[in-house]
Amino acid sequence: QQQVKQSPQSLIVQKGGIPIINCAYENTAFDYFPWYQQFPGKGPALLIAIRPDVSEKKEGRFTISFNKSAKQFSLHIMDSQPGDSATYFCAASISGSGNTGKLIFGQGTTLQVKP
Amino acid sequence: NAGVTQTPKFHILKIGQSMTLQCTQDMNHNYMYWYRQDPGMGLKLIYYSVGAGITDKGEVPNGYNVSRSTTEDFPLRLELAAPSQTSVYFCASRWAGVDYEQYFGPGTRLTVT
Repeated sequence: QQQVKQSPQSLIVQKGGIPIINCAYENTAFDYFPWYQQFPGKGPALLIAIRPDVSEKKEGRFTISFNKSAKQFSLHIMDSQPGDSATYFCAASISGSGNTGKLIFGQGTTLQVKP
Repeated sequence: NAGVTQTPKFHILKIGQSMTLQCTQDMNHNYMYWYRQDPGMGLKLIYYSVGAGITDKGEVPNGYNVSRSTTEDFPLRLELAAPSQTSVYFCASRWAGVDYEQYFGPGTRLTVT
């Protein structure tokens, strides 16, 4: 019940395409859902995050769509660029009193954007 | 600010040996975390700390130990290394409170052979 399942494992798109990465969770106590981006040889870095009281959040070319009833959320990258080639991780956390900030990560998606 | 720093960047360890992975942050963050990253498995939490002197187990703590004597430092100790501990290890830190992002270090690539 503490798992976050992420798909696909890898994704190849042409420049300008819209890659979509999906995540699903079971624990309804999760109330904070960040996405992290990781370039080769680097540590992950926060890209965008959402709470379940909104259905969509945009930051630049990155959009999170959230479906609370289906317990699913997804990352869309508009007008993808070769510089977006990286590994993307979704994650989930429980906030509130006693919050320790522990994140449960999905398995990761390696994205390649071809020029 | 240097952020989160980790040493060493790479290390090869023999089976049965022990070593300490170092992690330091200069952001005065209360919370610190150790993860391991294996291909296709995402990041798994090993140990975490919510402040100096306070540590707790994460999802995969077996074979590891931690200490937190200062706010800045959170070393990870591997005792009696096994091949299953071959992985990339990341340290992260964040402010206390809700929705604060975790800042990750550059990682340590460890091979046990």
